[in-house]
Amino acid sequence: EIVLTQSPATLSLSPGERATLSCRASQSVSSSLAWYQQKPGQAPRLLIYDASNRATGIPARFSGSGSGTDFSLTISSLEPEDFAVYYCQHRSNWPWTFGQGTKVEIK
Amino acid sequence: EVQLLESGGGLVQPGGSLRLSCEASGFTFSSYGMSWVRQAPGKGLEWVSVITDSGDWTYNADSVKGRFTISRDNSKNTLYLQMNSLRVEDTAVYYCSYSRSSGDPESKYFQHWGQGTLVTVSS
Repeated sequence: EIVLTQSPATLSLSPGERATLSCRASQSVSSSLAWYQQKPGQAPRLLIYDASNRATGIPARFSGSGSGTDFSLTISSLEPEDFAVYYCQHRSNWPWTFGQGTKVEIK
Repeated sequence: EVQLLESGGGLVQPGGSLRLSCEASGFTFSSYGMSWVRQAPGKGLEWVSVITDSGDWTYNADSVKGRFTISRDNSKNTLYLQMNSLRVEDTAVYYCSYSRSSGDPESKYFQHWGQGTLVTVSS
């Protein structure tokens, strides 16, 4: 099973600041990685697929990069609605797994 | 508009059983693999089970292997999760979602989710 490790666990930032989240895989997942955003009481929302492609309707301030074992999600300038929990997920082989999440909170 | 409507959650005692359903609409159900993903209270997401579009192959996470069975009825556009020998640690919101193994790259991931159904295992 591929383990995805996200860091940091919590990121405390102010609106307008840049956020950089990390996801590290225990073995290569090529580019088969996605990022999701989840707000309290809501289902997750797909943000990024295949490591670097924005999903339909996702604002340009969200970007993803990486391949192999090291990935990152960047939010260029935090909007109030971006404060949430973010998860990475791979689909390289079975079982698909999620990272444990990074909470982006208001400083 | 894509809709995924989970139902069947509730309170059950340890060792008990429950069957979840996910009614799908707004897309060609029989063309997509379907998955269940769960989230324990205050915890992260855990992928649980998958079934192919035709239903001829399934795969479960080790944590539920031998206890949970995923199935589907393409004539009813409905996905199921039969949960037996339930444990306290199975307490979670259960979401259904879908994906494809080929075609549009975005569709290979969980583009759409239901609202979830809460399963509570407690005595």
